[in-house]
Amino acid sequence: DTEVTQTPKHLVMGMTNKKSLKCEQHMGHRAMYWYKQKAKKPPELMFVYSYEKLSINESVPSRFSPECPNSSLLNLHLHALQPEDSALYLCASSQGTVFIQPQHFGDGTRLSIL
Amino acid sequence: ELKVEQNPLFLSMQEGKNYTIYCNYSTTSDRLYWYRQDPGKSLESLFVLLSNGAVKQEGRLMASLDTKARLSTLHITAAVHDLSATYFCAVDRDDKIIFGKGTRLHILP
Repeated sequence: DTEVTQTPKHLVMGMTNKKSLKCEQHMGHRAMYWYKQKAKKPPELMFVYSYEKLSINESVPSRFSPECPNSSLLNLHLHALQPEDSALYLCASSQGTVFIQPQHFGDGTRLSIL
Repeated sequence: ELKVEQNPLFLSMQEGKNYTIYCNYSTTSDRLYWYRQDPGKSLESLFVLLSNGAVKQEGRLMASLDTKARLSTLHITAAVHDLSATYFCAVDRDDKIIFGKGTRLHILP
């Protein structure tokens, strides 16, 4: 069983919809990450939160809006997405300093934009 | 610009054999990571290498880092079918983490 829980597992949405992806961990980790992965491609880092503050934003379009309401939760708000945004969205968490501790990944949300 | 290259990109090997996956990167960094991904699944962190000469081993997998050569290796000893997966290396520098394209490893019984 994964210790990082992502919901929903699958999401189909139209280009005008607003939806949110959720990620939760209860391991006391203080770094949380969002990645995007297209089929048969490596993951791409989108955002990193460290101690609930946004510390890295990899020039992601504003139609993706991250939020970290508390140390256990990470959201990714989606609005006016494009078909090319269809991908697997992975959340991860790690202890302390960003990257240098092993990351624990959720199972991902498979997003399809119609 | 930080670039990360893995080779081979695809590897089919017999059970019981040894092999090495290589990860080269283009700019100075002391931090390199290896991940595993099974088909249709999420990522699993395998190794975190944080200094020149770092070596870590877990079961049949051993990873090493040579920061002077800008090279990491992932060595597979006496491969078993369960190790079939895609393996990614990644390097971080200046708050960017860049992944290699991945090595698809297929181990034949």
